[in-house]
Amino acid sequence: TQLLEQSPQFLSIQEGENLTVYCNSSSVFSSLQWYRQEPGEGPVLLVTVVTGGEVKKLKRLTFQFGDARKDSSLHITAAQPGDTGLYLCAGINWGKLQFGAGTQVVVTP
Amino acid sequence: DTGVSQDPRHKITKRGQNVTFRCDPISEHNRLYWYRQTLGQGPEFLTYFQNEAQLEKSRLLSDRFSAERPKGSFSTLEIQRTEQGDSAMYLCASSPTSGKNIQYFGAGTRLSVL
Repeated sequence: TQLLEQSPQFLSIQEGENLTVYCNSSSVFSSLQWYRQEPGEGPVLLVTVVTGGEVKKLKRLTFQFGDARKDSSLHITAAQPGDTGLYLCAGINWGKLQFGAGTQVVVTP
Repeated sequence: DTGVSQDPRHKITKRGQNVTFRCDPISEHNRLYWYRQTLGQGPEFLTYFQNEAQLEKSRLLSDRFSAERPKGSFSTLEIQRTEQGDSAMYLCASSPTSGKNIQYFGAGTRLSVL
């Protein structure tokens, strides 16, 4: 059972479009991480957000942590085919990661 | 390459057989984690080690599963009497003790039980 709900489950867009994926929970987390996973590989950490209301930018990716530290969003501007992958959020409490089911993003040229 | 390595990358076995996977963490990382990931799901925590000590095990880890990290370096995960429901990707991750919750994942071992 995944305590973190991610939406949408699947997103297919054209190169150059923007997209937002969401991560929601009824639990409060001390921090939250976003990972990207490509087929046949393990997840790779993109960002850690710690403070409620925090916004972090990583090139074309913008991550936001909700004020109550229960939810987060990832926004990608001008998506590129290289952004294709499974985006996973993971809540952290007492050093333990709890993952959502992920959003599969496909960016077509 | 000094990342987390897992062996084998793929394993096909028949139901009832035993399998063993190996994980070599990043050198000097004290913590080592095992996760299981099924299709359409995120990784689920199985167990973790601080050096050679197994500190926590998930309820997902039935008595057919056993993990060891005998010298505090590499780890093995054994599944006895495999069942079709064990088919999944088994991921290993490592982190330094002071790593601020940063875990580095291996590429995983994909297990298919026929």
